[in-house]
Amino acid sequence: QQPVQSPQAVILREGEDAVINCSSSKALYSVHWYRQKHGEAPIFLMILLKGGEQKGHDKISASFNEKKQQSSLYLTASQLSYSGTYFCGTVPMDSNYQLIWGAGTKLIIKP
Amino acid sequence: NAGVTQTPKFQVLKTGQSMTLQCAQDMNHEYMSWYRQDPGMGLRLIHYSVGAGITDQGEVPNGYNVSRSTTEDFPLRLLSAAPSQTSVYFCASSYSIGGGTEAFFGQGTRLTVV
Repeated sequence: QQPVQSPQAVILREGEDAVINCSSSKALYSVHWYRQKHGEAPIFLMILLKGGEQKGHDKISASFNEKKQQSSLYLTASQLSYSGTYFCGTVPMDSNYQLIWGAGTKLIIKP
Repeated sequence: NAGVTQTPKFQVLKTGQSMTLQCAQDMNHEYMSWYRQDPGMGLRLIHYSVGAGITDQGEVPNGYNVSRSTTEDFPLRLLSAAPSQTSVYFCASSYSIGGGTEAFFGQGTRLTVV
């Protein structure tokens, strides 16, 4: 039931792009993306509702393919501040609207 | 706005002891929840509440109790601490139940049970 995130970890140079994927076996109402830095609370990035819409702000965007129950987070021209662990949270249609979290993708940005 | 406030930030308990983790929010959010975070496992839902007087179990409720007497407060009680409850605990709130609105997290409580 837990969504599968890939990759588990990625190391980039500053300025490079990254894609993080989140896949569920269940029909989804929405997908949430959060970033967590070490020792801190998760911080909200964006929500995607079913409908295949793409969202973004600054150089971080995401898409949601409701037919495949997959979401991807795109980080363009990565900055040092993007380092952290990225979590997707999925809300299955049959879950009483509870968030179910992936295990996270650790992103390391090097200068 | 303070947002979501959790206390304490760190706690060490002996096996068998009980304690209460405090959580308060000042955003008038109806939905509040408690998660535990273990390495490599993401966040797992312990208990949640959709309003004052209403609570329900999440994925891993055993060993924990909650109550919601006011909109603002949602304490988590460990009844008899066990080493398996060593974890980082996060309280979160959102305007409505999980699906379509942003969750705001407290700063977490790092609990060690020895």
